[in-house]
Amino acid sequence: QLQLQESGPGLVKPSETLSLTCTVSGGSISSRSYYWGWIRQPPGKGLEWIGSIYYSGSTYYNPSLKSRVTISVDTSKNHFSLKLSSVTAADTAVYYCARRSGSHIDYWGQGTLVTVSS
Amino acid sequence: QSALTQPASVSGSPGQSITISCTGTSSDVGSYNLVSWYQQHPGKAPKLMTYEVSKRPSGVSNRFSGSKSGNTASLTISGLQAEDEADYYCCSYAGSSTLVFGGGTKLTVL
Repeated sequence: QLQLQESGPGLVKPSETLSLTCTVSGGSISSRSYYWGWIRQPPGKGLEWIGSIYYSGSTYYNPSLKSRVTISVDTSKNHFSLKLSSVTAADTAVYYCARRSGSHIDYWGQGTLVTVSS
Repeated sequence: QSALTQPASVSGSPGQSITISCTGTSSDVGSYNLVSWYQQHPGKAPKLMTYEVSKRPSGVSNRFSGSKSGNTASLTISGLQAEDEADYYCCSYAGSSTLVFGGGTKLTVL
């Protein structure tokens, strides 16, 4: 059974860079059938797609976040990562890592809350 | 890339059917048969309920069905049950390998 687990700091200071890692178990991140990506959800609000990466390293980002987002993949460690720069309080959210199959998300991590505060 | 439009809330009694709409544009919902729906209970990760407009993943009840007409997609839940009470989100492919979600709909089972 495929499992995804987010890890990283739960508190980030304004203007700094948010960094999260998603470790995949029960399957290979090098599969040519899937993309891997991040979705976030501010407290009490809806879902927002952040971006996706293919095992080859090709990346696709939400246009509204593109200037601040970097998603990378490490196939040797079977994990992928998110970096979001110049964060503000508006970036406070539960961040989910996920597997994307074509145009839909079929596996989700449990989510991790990241709070932006000094 | 703007969020898809969903009603903030819908409600229904046990046994009834409800439909949640998801309105996009000709750049997303209207151009691709690639709409998916997710159910989210409080404090939990979303769960895929339908994909590619009307397909259901293994294990999802056939009480959940998806459809699309023009720029609007819909999720219908028939035979409403108490456990269906949750938030529901639509998502569409929006070209160039990007996705866009709807704002979410809170379903209350009366």
